[in-house]
Amino acid sequence: QKEVEQDPGPLSVPEGAIVSLNCTYSNSAFQYFMWYRQYSRKGPELLMYTYSSGNKEDGRFTAQVDKSSKYISLFIRDSQPSDSATYLCAMSALSGNTPLVFGKGTRLSVIA
Amino acid sequence: NAGVTQTPKFRILKIGQSMTLQCTQDMNHNYMYWYRQDPGMGLKLIYYSVGAGITDKGEVPNGYNVSRSTTEDFPLRLELAAPSQTSVYFCASSQGQGWGNEQFFGPGTRLTVL
Repeated sequence: QKEVEQDPGPLSVPEGAIVSLNCTYSNSAFQYFMWYRQYSRKGPELLMYTYSSGNKEDGRFTAQVDKSSKYISLFIRDSQPSDSATYLCAMSALSGNTPLVFGKGTRLSVIA
Repeated sequence: NAGVTQTPKFRILKIGQSMTLQCTQDMNHNYMYWYRQDPGMGLKLIYYSVGAGITDKGEVPNGYNVSRSTTEDFPLRLELAAPSQTSVYFCASSQGQGWGNEQFFGPGTRLTVL
């Protein structure tokens, strides 16, 4: 079993829809959870990060972590065509020099 | 600040040729990373460095070499290019690891080996 699993999509939704992107993981040591957004032919950029379980909201984006289920989600409300990108989850353990572990990414298209 | 810069943007190599992918960051970050990204396969860590003079292997180091003589620069060397090394290569940097230490990525180098 891979450490981080992410459905690669592609996911196509109409403008204004609520989007749910998800990752599951197997390493119970993971404490930091991040979502990166990558536009076509660009490098990934950090969208949101959370620590341990709970929700974090930033504008139209909500990141949710359920450590008991080893499951994280990113919700996008009122999705816009400009949200069309690949979304990668990433996570790391609490301490030490362990680099981030990335999911494969989900490709999202928001159709106007 | 330019952030993380990578050169070249594109390169075509013949099998067996060698080349160096350049990466520079101007944020005084301690940590630097090299990833490769194949279609639908996500980011795979090749090598990383926790500071000048210190490097460590990632998930897919075979066929690559790195050095870190300064804080700013982290070049990636391909000695004998193979078609399996056709990919998009991203360099990234961060101040540390763990909470709040996001990785900043460069724009990538698209490499084709024929």
